[in-house]
Amino acid sequence: DAKTTQPTSMDCAEGRAANLPCNHSTISGNEYVYWYRQIHSQGPQYIIHGLKNNETNEMASLIITEDRKSSTLILPHATLRDTAVYYCIVRVRYTGTASKLTFGTGTRLQVTL
Amino acid sequence: NAGVTQTPKFQVLKTGQSMTLQCAQDMNHEYMSWYRQDPGMGLRLIHYSVGAGITDQGEVPNGYNVSRSTTEDFPLRLLSAAPSQTSVYFCASSSNPGETQYFGPGTRLLVL
Repeated sequence: DAKTTQPTSMDCAEGRAANLPCNHSTISGNEYVYWYRQIHSQGPQYIIHGLKNNETNEMASLIITEDRKSSTLILPHATLRDTAVYYCIVRVRYTGTASKLTFGTGTRLQVTL
Repeated sequence: NAGVTQTPKFQVLKTGQSMTLQCAQDMNHEYMSWYRQDPGMGLRLIHYSVGAGITDQGEVPNGYNVSRSTTEDFPLRLLSAAPSQTSVYFCASSSNPGETQYFGPGTRLLVL
């Protein structure tokens, strides 16, 4: 699985958009970009994933650059409950053999009043 | 649909004791896995299973055993607990290894 680089921490004011960047310059053509988050003491929670097109769901939007070497997770209206560690993971989606989900250290997002 | 459930939520063991952490999912997922998370660190894979009767080791398997007799259940056994196994343990499942993984709420284990 390709390695990812994320900032260690970010702050965001409540109600504003939170834009979390991720670099994955060694991504392969068949690797997807996944985002998970972990709110303090809880199990990681899936947010969104994509291959090359931008994706949106009820939680967030995922913007992937045309060369696929970086992406941005957007939380459009951050709330205090979005305070968490956000993990960007790049991996093959359909695989006949098991592969681990490699969690790096992620970005700690602090949403403030 | 309860998703992934784990029991117990908390456990205190003495060094040398054994115990089993339970994990169950009701989504008919073939792939299940166990991770541990130490303070300030990411998750590390302990063991995983691609289906009933099939298990394999992850990156930190020593001191742990698993079995997968049914699709729903994937228990993790600590054979002889050590203080180094103090951690938070998460179970996860997905329809296949590359698909979205769903995590349980975790079990906090303290080994004295």
